[in-house]
Amino acid sequence: DVVLTQTPVSLSVTLGDQASISCRSSQSLEYSDGYTYLEWYLQKPGQSPQLLIYEVSNRFSGVPDRFIGSGSGTDFTLKISRVEPEDLGVYYCFQATHDPFTFGSGTKLEIK
Amino acid sequence: EVQLQESGPGLVKPSQSLSLTCSVTGYSITSNYWGWIRKFPGNKMEWMGYISYSGSTSYNPSLKSRISITRDTSKNQFFLQLNSVTTEDTATYYCARLGLGALDYWGQGVMVTVSS
Repeated sequence: DVVLTQTPVSLSVTLGDQASISCRSSQSLEYSDGYTYLEWYLQKPGQSPQLLIYEVSNRFSGVPDRFIGSGSGTDFTLKISRVEPEDLGVYYCFQATHDPFTFGSGTKLEIK
Repeated sequence: EVQLQESGPGLVKPSQSLSLTCSVTGYSITSNYWGWIRKFPGNKMEWMGYISYSGSTSYNPSLKSRISITRDTSKNQFFLQLNSVTTEDTATYYCARLGLGALDYWGQGVMVTVSS
């Protein structure tokens, strides 16, 4: 199975500052169709996970442009510029390139 | 708007089967792929498997001998059955749609405890 190594485990950020989360894959996530199915999700307290970014860098409908996904191959990053109170929760990367699909271990974002 | 809703018992005895239903509104399950995911106590998330628009299935090999995903297109529902459960199957179970190559719509989740 593809292992997604997500760092850091937790992050404490001042409101208005930037946060950055890394996701490294044990294999390339580029699929044979040329797309890279690496996504980012946020699970807010008491809620279901919600899709933020799909195919590495595409923001899902309604996601603010403060959320920026980047990367390629095996190395990916989610940056949150100007962190706001509603950004707290657990962030997961997820790959849907190789079956079985797999999740990263999660990064808990706290507000200082 | 696409909406998913899980339902099923919150308590299952060890060695029995866990059965959950995902009811979908606003979109037909004869399009796209539809999956089950679970979150264990703590933060660990596990992809369990999916059923496709045509009814074909794919399961996580870690569960392959115990899992079954089926559907009822007339009710626009799909189902999860997990056999021979143990306490390690205690988790919150989610259903979700696979669209854009991602899990774009999720249910609210159902917490299932395996305990005698």
